[in-house]
Amino acid sequence: DAGVIQSPRHEVTEMGQEVTLRCKPISGHNSLFWYRQTMMRGLELLIYFNNNVPIDDSGMPEDRFSAKMPNASFSTLKIQPSEPRDSAVYFCASSNNGVEQFFGPGTRLTVL
Amino acid sequence: AQSVTQLDSQVPVFEEAPVELRCNYSSSVSVYLFWYVQYPNQGLQLLLKYLSGSTLVKGINGFEAEFNKSQTSFHLRKPSVHISDTAEYFCAVRVSGGATNKLIFGTGTLLAVQP
Repeated sequence: DAGVIQSPRHEVTEMGQEVTLRCKPISGHNSLFWYRQTMMRGLELLIYFNNNVPIDDSGMPEDRFSAKMPNASFSTLKIQPSEPRDSAVYFCASSNNGVEQFFGPGTRLTVL
Repeated sequence: AQSVTQLDSQVPVFEEAPVELRCNYSSSVSVYLFWYVQYPNQGLQLLLKYLSGSTLVKGINGFEAEFNKSQTSFHLRKPSVHISDTAEYFCAVRVSGGATNKLIFGTGTLLAVQP
């Protein structure tokens, strides 16, 4: 199995631009999670989906952030407009039993 | 609500020495407990988990952890560390059997193994 796939691995953009991060979960997994990791705040859960439906988005910082899961094999996290404080590593994880989560390699986002 | 405390932000240790990384949690209900490891510039990888049964859990790379309900702890141990164990270690908790799949992570402990 290829594991959780995230793209791009690195993204550098300018303040105000739209950023879209992509995630392909492990085939057969029915839960998908988006996390953000920073030095200041550690690892934060932004949102998670069960069977493509958003269950808990209480961690989404503000309206500039949105996430979608149009089908079982693809999810996006969009930031519009981006700000320097959004710079972080964004992880996607998936699970097939709601217990163990498998993490992707992350996307390192830098907003100038 | 659940929470996880990792009191040690960094633990320096010499190669081949034993190590213990501390984790305490708070919860009013039964929980599942996890330890994840993050190597530089990589995602998190599951080391071990406690769901039920034996309180001593063995994981990958020679690590083990013991669930202590009375002390609400889940400390991670390894009898002899290697340079390659240098990484960030995260403890996490989840409500057992609940409707939510959320993991609550601690702030992490950097294990720095020195030759």
